[in-house]
Amino acid sequence: SQQGEEDPQALSIQEGENATMNCSYKTSINNLQWYRQNSGRGLVHLILIRSNEREKHSGRLRVTLDTSKKSSSLLITASRAADTASYFCATDGTYSGAGSYQLTFGKGTKLSVIP
Amino acid sequence: SQTIHQWPATLVQPVGSPLSLECTVEGTSNPNLYWYRQAAGRGLQLLFYSVGIGQISSEVPQNLSASRPQDRQFILSSKKLLLSDSGFYLCAWRVRLGLANYGYTFGSGTRLTVV
Repeated sequence: SQQGEEDPQALSIQEGENATMNCSYKTSINNLQWYRQNSGRGLVHLILIRSNEREKHSGRLRVTLDTSKKSSSLLITASRAADTASYFCATDGTYSGAGSYQLTFGKGTKLSVIP
Repeated sequence: SQTIHQWPATLVQPVGSPLSLECTVEGTSNPNLYWYRQAAGRGLQLLFYSVGIGQISSEVPQNLSASRPQDRQFILSSKKLLLSDSGFYLCAWRVRLGLANYGYTFGSGTRLTVV
């Protein structure tokens, strides 16, 4: 089953505006990650936030994590046309270091930034 | 440097034909490798993962199989393709992100269309 569920499924904004995407998950996690996928390409890792962190920044990206609500948000500030892509959250469950590590991905938010 | 290669990029195959998709990594040893499938407009579905040569774990019973003949090679196969096997196939490799966290580096994907 899908661990992460992104919201909204699609988002269209004007260049320069901020884009906010949300992710909800069901089980306990060690960390939550966000990935970006350009059309027809593989996913690229953007940012990781650990379960004991509440907020993290990387350039124009800001990620928040609320473990009590089992939710995260990704904010892209001052969006550009080049930010047009699908964005996925992924969770790792409570990987203990034994066995195989697995990430579970949501269905993604398709972001369109209009020039 | 560490890189992941996946080929072919696109493939159109008739129903009932065999399939072989290959993924190789460079610059590392004993990698954890994964095959995901992404249906149109949907999230990623984990198909297989491998923690070493000859070690394959299947997540979803289906028409596909995987093999790990060499340390850095992961192959996805089918003896007879079905229409429902169409999709975007992604190979991924577990990479370390900081002290105790892991993420994935993805290949560029294979778009498979079964006709």
